[in-house]
Amino acid sequence: DQQVKQNSPSLSVQEGRISILNCDYTNSMFDYFLWYKKYPAEGPTFLISISSIKDKNEDGRFTVFLNKSAKHLSLHIVPSQPGDSAVYFCAASDTTTDSWGKLQFGAGTQVVVTP
Amino acid sequence: DGGITQSPKYLFRKEGQNVTLSCEQNLNHDAMYWYRQDPGQGLRLIYYSQIVNDFQKGDIAEGYSVSREKKESFPLTVTSAQKNPTAFYLCASIRRGLPNNEQFFGPGTRLTVL
Repeated sequence: DQQVKQNSPSLSVQEGRISILNCDYTNSMFDYFLWYKKYPAEGPTFLISISSIKDKNEDGRFTVFLNKSAKHLSLHIVPSQPGDSAVYFCAASDTTTDSWGKLQFGAGTQVVVTP
Repeated sequence: DGGITQSPKYLFRKEGQNVTLSCEQNLNHDAMYWYRQDPGQGLRLIYYSQIVNDFQKGDIAEGYSVSREKKESFPLTVTSAQKNPTAFYLCASIRRGLPNNEQFFGPGTRLTVL
């Protein structure tokens, strides 16, 4: 039973425009959400995170929005650059449990930024 | 330079053989994790360990085994019982209490069964 879902397997966006990646979750106990970026044959790298006590977190070109009532979060990248072409994973955790560091990952969204 | 190392980068195995993937971290992290990634799929948790000499099964533990004898090391053995072992394997670690709850990942090992 997948608790974190990324329903768009791919996204193509023009350089300079906004990329919007979506993620839905089912477990209401999740209290921390993260986005990772992954290039082929490499390990994922952390991008940005948000706690459930916030609804927005911004870091440079990256902004994550959290809508707890809808159990939905999104990652906005603006402006999109060619180096942003990668797979983006959404992840969630329940930090209150015994398995405090455990993350549930979505299936990922492949972003392609075109010139 | 602190980080997570995985070796080897590429590994080939004949059917019926066990193989062990190495994962070492010098970040003084408490918990360590093993994931596998298959094409078009997300990261699926195989095993994790939050303290030395203790580990827990993840979502797809069948056919795998682990040990955690030292805080820095968390090797994964892919046994002959694993039906479809060809995949990209990722090791990660986390330090309890960090503000972002961020797992740090190693570079991965590509395992191919011939």
